[in-house]
Amino acid sequence: DVKVTQSSRYLVKRTGEKVFLECVQDMDHENMFWYRQDPGLGLRLIYFSYDVKMKEKGDIPEGYSVSREKKERFSLILESASTNQTSMYLCASSFTGRNYGYTFGSGTRLTVV
Amino acid sequence: AQSVTQPDIHITVSEGASLELRCNYSYGATPYLFWYVQSPGQGLQLLLKYFSGDTLVQGIKGFEAEFKRSQSSFNLRKPSVHWSDAAEYFCAVAPDSNYQLIWGAGTKLIIKP
Repeated sequence: DVKVTQSSRYLVKRTGEKVFLECVQDMDHENMFWYRQDPGLGLRLIYFSYDVKMKEKGDIPEGYSVSREKKERFSLILESASTNQTSMYLCASSFTGRNYGYTFGSGTRLTVV
Repeated sequence: AQSVTQPDIHITVSEGASLELRCNYSYGATPYLFWYVQSPGQGLQLLLKYFSGDTLVQGIKGFEAEFKRSQSSFNLRKPSVHWSDAAEYFCAVAPDSNYQLIWGAGTKLIIKP
């Protein structure tokens, strides 16, 4: 069964910590995405990548960075976690092309205390 | 600019009743349209998609959606809902760029016993 795997379902971190969220896909997808989801705000794109070592800012990149050293892995980095980054983080991947849609991981619920 | 509108934030339906969730899009050319479902605490799962051809498309879990170009709509329907259908539903459109989806804000479906 093809899938997108996010390394943690729940994560609690302290303010100021550097946080790594990992996402791995086994479908040979070119594109990978990181979203955050907050009540009432829907899905907001943080960063995406359309190829290895390539990255593009989404709608809310501030306070985040990403890394894609291998095609199957896309990491989201919170350089210095803050309480306003408490959220659900969703990773997705897709082939290039309008007809494919995305495959999502199960999400990581991050709490910053 | 392309956009997707889901006018209902919440919808409450009795178990066994029919369901229709609304989605309107703003897009000049032929849209590629998607419906996703998100169960509580989970990632998003693709329900169905439309690219061309028959305007009534069938999806998983007994859902269907009808594309109406004249109304710029892609409404999701189910003849009889089950308690397990309680979830949040997202409509999305794939615009000209070949890998980014534009998302609606989501509609939360509540099932009354």
